Amino acid sequence: DVKVTQSSRYLVKRTGEKVFLECVQDMDHENMFWYRQDPGLGLRLIYFSYDVKMKEKGDIPEGYSVSREKKERFSLILESASTNQTSMYLCASSFLEVGQPQHFGDGTRLSIL
Amino acid sequence: AQTVTQSQPEMSVQEAETVTLSCTYDTSESNYYLFWYKQPPSRQMILVIRQEAYKQQNATENRFSVNFQKAAKSFSLKISDSQLGDTAMYFCAYHTTNTGNQFYFGTGTSLTVIP
Repeated sequence: DVKVTQSSRYLVKRTGEKVFLECVQDMDHENMFWYRQDPGLGLRLIYFSYDVKMKEKGDIPEGYSVSREKKERFSLILESASTNQTSMYLCASSFLEVGQPQHFGDGTRLSIL
Repeated sequence: AQTVTQSQPEMSVQEAETVTLSCTYDTSESNYYLFWYKQPPSRQMILVIRQEAYKQQNATENRFSVNFQKAAKSFSLKISDSQLGDTAMYFCAYHTTNTGNQFYFGTGTSLTVIP
C-alpha cells in the first residue's frame, strides 16, 4: 500500500513564526501536492511539484513556499505564520501519468495563535 | 480554474438504504478523469471510485457506483446498502491532461449514516 506520511497530526505555533510541514511518500511518485482544507471551501491547492527541485503554484500560494530536495519528500513552509493560516493541511502524491489517483496523508491540523 | 460543484453540503441516510451524492463539473475537454474520494472523521482521504470520460460504462466498486452523464457534465455517486462506516465527507474531483498534474475538488458532501 502507498504510504504518505505527514510529520505532525496537530501543531500549534505563534504568529510570525516560520513553520515547516513535512511530507514523505514511499511509492516513488513523481507528483507531490500540498492542499489546504477549510469547511465549506473543500480542498484548495497551494503548491505542487512534478520532479525534484521543481515547483508550481496552485490556487493559493501567497504566504507559503515549498521545497523538494529529494523525490520522496515535499515540505511546505509558512514564512511568517499568521492566524488566517490556521487550517487543515493535506499532502498528496501520485504518479506522473495523467489519470492516476492521488494518495493522501493523514493531514496536519495547524493552529496559529 | 475548473469548476466542480457539489450542491449538497450535508446528507443523511438510514443504515441499509441507498443514497446518491451529486456532482457537476464545467469543462470543454473531451477526455478527462473523475474521482470520488471519501474522508472519514479524523481519518485519511481515500479513493472510492474512478471514471475515465471516454468510457461509456459506469464504474462500479462493490456497493459504490457512479452515474456518469457526459453530456450533462454530471457524475453522481450511489452508495447501496449504506453502512455506519460510510459516514464521511465525500469529495468529487476532476483531472485532465490540460490541467497538468492538478486535480480540482468540489466543496464536499458530509454524509451521515443513521443506525
